[in-house]
Amino acid sequence: NAGVTQTPKFQVLKTGQSMTLQCAQDMNHEYMSWYRQDPGMGLRLIHYSVGAGITDQGEVPNGYNVSRSTTEDFPLRLLSAAPSQTSVYFCASRAGTGLTDTQYFGPGTRLTVL
Amino acid sequence: GQQVMQIPQYQHVQEGEDFTTYCNSSTTLSNIQWYKQRPGGHPVFLIQLVKSGEVKKQKRLTFQFGEAKKNSSLHITATQTTDVGTYFCAGPRGTSYGKLTFGQGTILTVHP
Repeated sequence: NAGVTQTPKFQVLKTGQSMTLQCAQDMNHEYMSWYRQDPGMGLRLIHYSVGAGITDQGEVPNGYNVSRSTTEDFPLRLLSAAPSQTSVYFCASRAGTGLTDTQYFGPGTRLTVL
Repeated sequence: GQQVMQIPQYQHVQEGEDFTTYCNSSTTLSNIQWYKQRPGGHPVFLIQLVKSGEVKKQKRLTFQFGEAKKNSSLHITATQTTDVGTYFCAGPRGTSYGKLTFGQGTILTVHP
């Protein structure tokens, strides 16, 4: 099992460019999430999915889109990158087993927007 | 909205000293989880507490969940250099188990 994988590991964008951060998991987990991590602010939930075809917004969804066409993949799209989106992005997955909330995180994508 | 506050933000200790980080939620939590993130790494699950007043131990780490299920603590006895990293607490947002609200984290530095 590779667990949760993310690509790319590093990315530099110019303001206004768009891109997609990829996330995949091979654990057949129902739940997948995207978080961003900024210094002193912990991890903040961007978007969330409880299964293929179902997504929901988190705390900071503006400027980001997601879709979940398969159980395995949960890409995050930046529509028009802004310097405020410079951050480290983590994808996470979790089995849908009620109170068992263990989330498995990917290695992260470090994004810089100039 | 739900807030999870964690203190202190930074902690520097000498190797062998004890360390404690505290987590407080603005709302009652169904459970609380703790994660560790090594420098440059990703968060890794440590433990989940579910019951009021619950105490769990993992070797030198002791985790507590408050009676009111609104606060929690992580205590490390006799820190080692391998304990370096950021420790986060996290609780479910409302009734949605998969959505987590994270504390800001405590960055632990251990001086040899």
